[in-house]
Amino acid sequence: DTAVSQTPKYLVTQMGNDKSIKCEQNLGHDTMYWYKQDSKKFLKIMFSYNNKELIINETVPNRFSPKSPDKAHLNLHINSLELGDSAVYFCASSQANRWDSPLHFGNGTRLTVT
Amino acid sequence: KQEVTQIPAALSVPEGENLVLNCSFTDSAIYNLQWFRQDPGKGLTSLLLIQSSQREQTSGRLNASLDKSSGRSTLYIAASQPGDSATYLCAVRANDYKLSFGAGTTVTVRA
Repeated sequence: DTAVSQTPKYLVTQMGNDKSIKCEQNLGHDTMYWYKQDSKKFLKIMFSYNNKELIINETVPNRFSPKSPDKAHLNLHINSLELGDSAVYFCASSQANRWDSPLHFGNGTRLTVT
Repeated sequence: KQEVTQIPAALSVPEGENLVLNCSFTDSAIYNLQWFRQDPGKGLTSLLLIQSSQREQTSGRLNASLDKSSGRSTLYIAASQPGDSATYLCAVRANDYKLSFGAGTTVTVRA
């Protein structure tokens, strides 16, 4: 059983396009996250949702819009893709407001913008 | 702003040798610290989580220590195996609950 699943695994698209990445978790967690891993392998938080409510919104261009239809899903929509958006995007989840609980990550979506 | 550094960036050892991975952070006012493992093309797997009040955590062959005052954590892996080959990342959660990651140490265990 996959705990945190993301689709697609790979995404290749051209500049200016709009694309979405989907994430689902079956752990019963209330908190979900989107992280971006750049070419230097640093992971940076983008967004965090707790029970469908946005609780962390880092300095991310407003071309990125997360959507949480329910607490088990957190999708990421990206408008007007740019070359600099190329990266690996990870979804993660944890128990609600339990900052001492470990994060569970999906396998990542490698986005390549050409 | 919390900065997390992991040195070395890469490490290659023969099977059976003990591994020592280092993590340093600039702001000692932390909530907790986690060590993760990342396999190629995969997500991160949580290995150990140390609360700020703890000095170490152990799980099987893994032992992580935390010295908040000096801004350091060390992950020890005893009797390394080829299956331990992966990238190991440490992440520090600050008191504002934001998580800052290091760039990782890529470990290769040679059979």
